Amino acid sequence: QVQLQQSGPGLVKPSQTLSLTCAISGDNVSSNSAAWNWIRQSPSRGLEWLGKTYYRSKWYSDYAVSVKSRITINPDTSKNQFSLQLHSVTPEDTAVYYCARAYSSSANWFDPWGQGTLVTVSS
Amino acid sequence: EIVMTQSPATLSVSPGERATLSCRASQSVSINLAWYQQKPGQAPRLLIYGASTRATGVPARFSGNGSGTEFTLTISSLQSEDFAVYYCQQYNNWPLTFGGGTKVEIK
Repeated sequence: QVQLQQSGPGLVKPSQTLSLTCAISGDNVSSNSAAWNWIRQSPSRGLEWLGKTYYRSKWYSDYAVSVKSRITINPDTSKNQFSLQLHSVTPEDTAVYYCARAYSSSANWFDPWGQGTLVTVSS
Repeated sequence: EIVMTQSPATLSVSPGERATLSCRASQSVSINLAWYQQKPGQAPRLLIYGASTRATGVPARFSGNGSGTEFTLTISSLQSEDFAVYYCQQYNNWPLTFGGGTKVEIK
């Protein structure tokens, strides 16, 4: 059974970097089929896919246009986890952030999800 | 970007009754559609993928239908644990997009 466990701070100051980690159990971040995603949810924007990282003989990352200039998603194979960094945050980045697995490149539904982390951007 | 529109926003249903939720895509997504259930304080849970395939462990009272731009999620006989918010998500085109949700509440 695949499980995702998120960690990271719940409060970030404006203009700083939001950093979250998602630890994987029951699967491998280096899987040749799965993709590892970050999604956020806020009352104003609903559920919003942010980006993913995946391994297909080499590492790839894809990002949503809305955050492409300031997002980084990286794998950490030594710890079997992946991370999200969102730079130059503003209060509009306040949301619950989720990590989630997509089953394969052609099966981009999300299962399972991490437990979620409420991140508030405030000074 | 494909816009997913769910209706109604809120559905009031009595336990034991049938609930039908709708999801419309702004352009065809074939059958590349998933449904999720979200309860307060929890992450979304996958119910349906491929428009009609139930995920592992999902009760048979949940069924999905549709293709192209029109989709439905039906809960045949609502149980107390089914009162929640339901989201659809298309994965036919990037970026992946979600609907705004339908809240199923107790009548």
